[in-house]
Amino acid sequence: GAVVSQHPSRVICKSGTSVKIECRSLDFQATTMFWYRQFPKQSLMLMATSNEGSKATYEQGVEKDKFLINHASLTLSTLTVTSAHPEDSSFYICSAFGTANTEAFFGQGTRLTVV
Amino acid sequence: AQTVTQSQPEMSVQEAETVTLSCTYDTSENNYYLFWYKQPPSRQMILVIRQEAYKQQNATENRFSVNFQKAAKSFSLKISDSQLGDTAMYFCAFMKQVGGGKLIFGQGTELSVKP
Repeated sequence: GAVVSQHPSRVICKSGTSVKIECRSLDFQATTMFWYRQFPKQSLMLMATSNEGSKATYEQGVEKDKFLINHASLTLSTLTVTSAHPEDSSFYICSAFGTANTEAFFGQGTRLTVV
Repeated sequence: AQTVTQSQPEMSVQEAETVTLSCTYDTSENNYYLFWYKQPPSRQMILVIRQEAYKQQNATENRFSVNFQKAAKSFSLKISDSQLGDTAMYFCAFMKQVGGGKLIFGQGTELSVKP
């Protein structure tokens, strides 16, 4: 299957700072990338959908000013958690989808801890 | 809107035995894909098996097989000869054929394989 790389795998940041998470498709062009949030023992909750070159579409209840998403190229999408607070601590996973694909491919996930 | 329901939060099975995980879904679409993903403690999402809705034949991948009942909107996963490495969270997921990779997940089933 195709490879999606997500970095960092773990990050600890201070309350009030911002943190950026990268999601890269290594061997295919991802026209669409998805960002999910997952709490322990729970399912993946879709936060937003990003299409290359256009603004992300956020799911209801997700603050777009707090979770900034950029999809500037066909191989890279970034999620920036701005002014992070302890309640933003979670596991964030990206997935990527290309027009030639019939399935989405997942990154390894990022465990964010805000202290 | 599509929904996916997994009604078994936890299940356990003895090593070498067979276990079936249940999944039901609701959609008005006629063409779509269904997936089972495994999420081990590493939290990497691993595709176990996929089913195209237009195919009547149930998908199989080695020890993993599905029972796809399109009219009943049911998509169960059977794991034969369970192994300790099968211990993980299992998620059922739905994707529209023209969905661009957007997955709708069930709540998940935590499977424990006991020696």
